[in-house]
Amino acid sequence: QTVVTQEPSLTVSPGGTVTLTCASSTGPVTSDYYTNWLQQKPGQAPRPLIYSTNNKYSWTPARFSGSLLGVKAALTLSAVQPEDEAEYFCLLYYTGAQPHWVFGGGTKLTVL
Amino acid sequence: QVRVQESGPGLVKPSGTLSLTCTVSGDSISSDIWWTWVRQPPGKGLEWIGEIHHWKGTYYKPTLHSRVTITVDKSKNQFSLKLNSVTAADTAVYYCVRGGDWRFGPWGQGTLVTVSS
Repeated sequence: QTVVTQEPSLTVSPGGTVTLTCASSTGPVTSDYYTNWLQQKPGQAPRPLIYSTNNKYSWTPARFSGSLLGVKAALTLSAVQPEDEAEYFCLLYYTGAQPHWVFGGGTKLTVL
Repeated sequence: QVRVQESGPGLVKPSGTLSLTCTVSGDSISSDIWWTWVRQPPGKGLEWIGEIHHWKGTYYKPTLHSRVTITVDKSKNQFSLKLNSVTAADTAVYYCVRGGDWRFGPWGQGTLVTVSS
């Protein structure tokens, strides 16, 4: 069974920069995994932020950026705001006989 | 503006079948879109369940494949999820999502389904 791994928790100071990563048990994450990043705050549905590795939605703040970092996908938050405190999930696409998507376990980001 | 909204029973008995419907507005269920189901057990992470395209077919999470069926009702502009042989581990908030072009959104507000006798 494929496992997608994220940091369980990270802490960042307001105004700082933080990078969240997303790794696949099958090997390096490439653009072919069409990485998505979503933000979820307590009691709310997930809100998509990034699709296909580094593409933003119209509502995605400029301080959020997606990339590939070595063998992982990454989400970088610059000039972090208090309202960025949330859980962040990555989502990877797996091809093959039974194409499917797999979520990472999520990263709880604390702004402190 | 595209909206998706889940509906269905909030309580299902163990070994029974969980049935949910997602009503789509602002878009056609027959568009070139993958209509998706995702769930989230209380206090846990997100789990992709499966997706359907009105003519390209369906794909399911491999470990759920034997219990899941996703279908489309073009006349009602809806898509549905059935999960059989449920246990307490299937208790979760279930979301329907509009997919396609490698993106996911919008999301429904989610509906909590509890498996309990």
